[in-house]
Amino acid sequence: EPEVTQTPSHQVTQMGQEVILRCVPISNHLYFYWYRQILGQKVEFLVSFYNNEISEKSEIFDDQFSVERPDGSNFTLKIRSTKLEDSAMYFCASIGLASYNEQFFGPGTRLTVL
Amino acid sequence: DQQVKQNSPSLSVQEGRISILNCDYTNSMFDYFLWYKKYPAEGPTFLISISSIKDKNEDGRFTVFLNKSAKHLSLHIVPSQPGDSAVYFCAARLIGTASKLTFGTGTRLQVTL
Repeated sequence: EPEVTQTPSHQVTQMGQEVILRCVPISNHLYFYWYRQILGQKVEFLVSFYNNEISEKSEIFDDQFSVERPDGSNFTLKIRSTKLEDSAMYFCASIGLASYNEQFFGPGTRLTVL
Repeated sequence: DQQVKQNSPSLSVQEGRISILNCDYTNSMFDYFLWYKKYPAEGPTFLISISSIKDKNEDGRFTVFLNKSAKHLSLHIVPSQPGDSAVYFCAARLIGTASKLTFGTGTRLQVTL
């Protein structure tokens, strides 16, 4: 069964460093999302991406964040200068042609900022 | 801004019994509701969903009920199995295809033997 994959599974970085989190959505999916979950809190929406541009973003998604679909298969989230409070699980999700209703999530990347 | 609330952080149910997980929402513009199951260190896994034009949707052991007037939905699992032990998130989507999901805080379900 097709699935969303994410790499790396765990990323440790120093405060102020740039990180890139990678996702490979399910083939033929059209809408892509990033969510995050700070430990013990709920899953929060960051950004949605469709037709090579951002379609919606939350207030969390400030100028330090950017997304890109560089090659038609990968979908990346870049944090330019990480802060301690960026430590969280980051989940990629996608929606396909068969159903616009159910978002399929990847296993997540645990980002730890020291 | 808690538009989707799950007021029970945890629930313990005996194997074979019914598990009922509850979710309340405040935004009347939500038109689609989903339940996700999450194991530690894994991503949310889609379980079952319901459109706002329905009041019930059933899939095997899982049934979701929607009460629009009360802005309340519930997930029933019967019979509960030990493998159902996980965190269950309620999520809601605003009107419009492919809109973002707004999640509740989750309920940790423990199914005991």
